[in-house]
Amino acid sequence: AQSVTQPDIHITVSEGASLELRCNYSYGATPYLFWYVQSPGQGLQLLLKYFSGDTLVQGIKGFEAEFKRSQSSFNLRKPSVHWSDAAEYFCAVVTNAGKSTFGDGTTLTVKP
Amino acid sequence: NAGVTQTPKFQVLKTGQSMTLQCAQDMNHEYMSWYRQDPGMGLRLIHYSVGAGITDQGEVPNGYNVSRSTTEDFPLRLLSAAPSQTSVYFCASSYRDRGDTQYFGPGTRLTVL
Repeated sequence: AQSVTQPDIHITVSEGASLELRCNYSYGATPYLFWYVQSPGQGLQLLLKYFSGDTLVQGIKGFEAEFKRSQSSFNLRKPSVHWSDAAEYFCAVVTNAGKSTFGDGTTLTVKP
Repeated sequence: NAGVTQTPKFQVLKTGQSMTLQCAQDMNHEYMSWYRQDPGMGLRLIHYSVGAGITDQGEVPNGYNVSRSTTEDFPLRLLSAAPSQTSVYFCASSYRDRGDTQYFGPGTRLTVL
């Protein structure tokens, strides 16, 4: 069965600092990988996704993620964090059958 | 387009009661899913559907029932509510391929007393 691990439950960064959120997945076939963001009291919104091609993918709001097959990772990065980036971030893998598995999420706090 | 709509937004049930959470989308999406979100546990897949008439179980299907008679609607039925089903429920839909973006509804906050 597939699984997603987000090792960091909570991360705090200063505004303007760089950010990296970790995601490790387990899936036997070619993974379809996603990062979503959830603001308080809201549903989830897609940041970016990867399923083939260039392993460095660009998303909305200045986010990017790099797929590393050898490490089973799909880490999310942003060079300079803004206060509005404070939210909860979820990594997800989707199987061949269309079944999604999400990680437990990482809560990002941004210090002024 | 209204996107993905869910009703009700809030619901309080007593143990043993049944109810249906409604989900509808107007984007002609084939894939629809139900998730529950509990603090510190992310989203867990309850049931999903890859098209009208086709449903399958997710990670935590016990106590829930679904059917998909039309492309637009994907209701989630709680057969006999239990306090362990207190959660926030999200419905999501995507076009027709596992690489397509999931669009999420606003959620239903359910409390079972």
